[in-house]
Amino acid sequence: DTAVSQTPKYLVTQMGNDKSIKCEQNLGHDTMYWYKQDSKKFLKIMFSYNNKELIINETVPNRFSPKSPDKAHLNLHINSLELGDSAVYFCASSHRDTNNEQFFGPGTRLTVL
Amino acid sequence: KQEVTQIPAALSVPEGENLVLNCSFTDSAIYNLQWFRQDPGKGLTSLLLIQSSQREQTSGRLNASLDKSSGRSTLYIAASQPGDSATYLCAVDNFNKFYFGSGTKLNVKP
Repeated sequence: DTAVSQTPKYLVTQMGNDKSIKCEQNLGHDTMYWYKQDSKKFLKIMFSYNNKELIINETVPNRFSPKSPDKAHLNLHINSLELGDSAVYFCASSHRDTNNEQFFGPGTRLTVL
Repeated sequence: KQEVTQIPAALSVPEGENLVLNCSFTDSAIYNLQWFRQDPGKGLTSLLLIQSSQREQTSGRLNASLDKSSGRSTLYIAASQPGDSATYLCAVDNFNKFYFGSGTKLNVKP
């Protein structure tokens, strides 16, 4: 029974396209996150949502727009994709009642050609 | 701004050895520190979480310590096995802002 799931697992697209990545968690957590892992495997937080409200928005181009329709879902929409957007994107979730211990999804490998 | 450093970047040991992975951070005002492992092409698996008020946590062959005042944490792996081969990441929670180290890539040789 998957705790944090992401779709799609792989995404290959052309420069300039718009794409979305979906994330769902069934852990009853109140906070969800998007991370980007670059080619050097460095993980950097992009966004954090708590109870559907944006609480962290790191220095990310406004081509990236997160959307949280409910506490269990956090989607990431990317407009006008660029070569530098190629990376692995991870979704994670946590709850303050469990000391913000984070649980990660399997990742979405985005390749922009 | 919080900076998290992990040393060494890579480590290769024979099976059965005990080993220590290091994590240091610059801002001691943390909520907790979490250790993860990442297998190639996979997501992150949570290993241990240490709250800022704790000194250590143990799970099986793993023991993580935290010295908040000096900005350091260690992950001790006892009796290493080939299945422990992975990249180990530490992450610091600065009250909902998470900062990751670049990881230590561990290879345990049979």
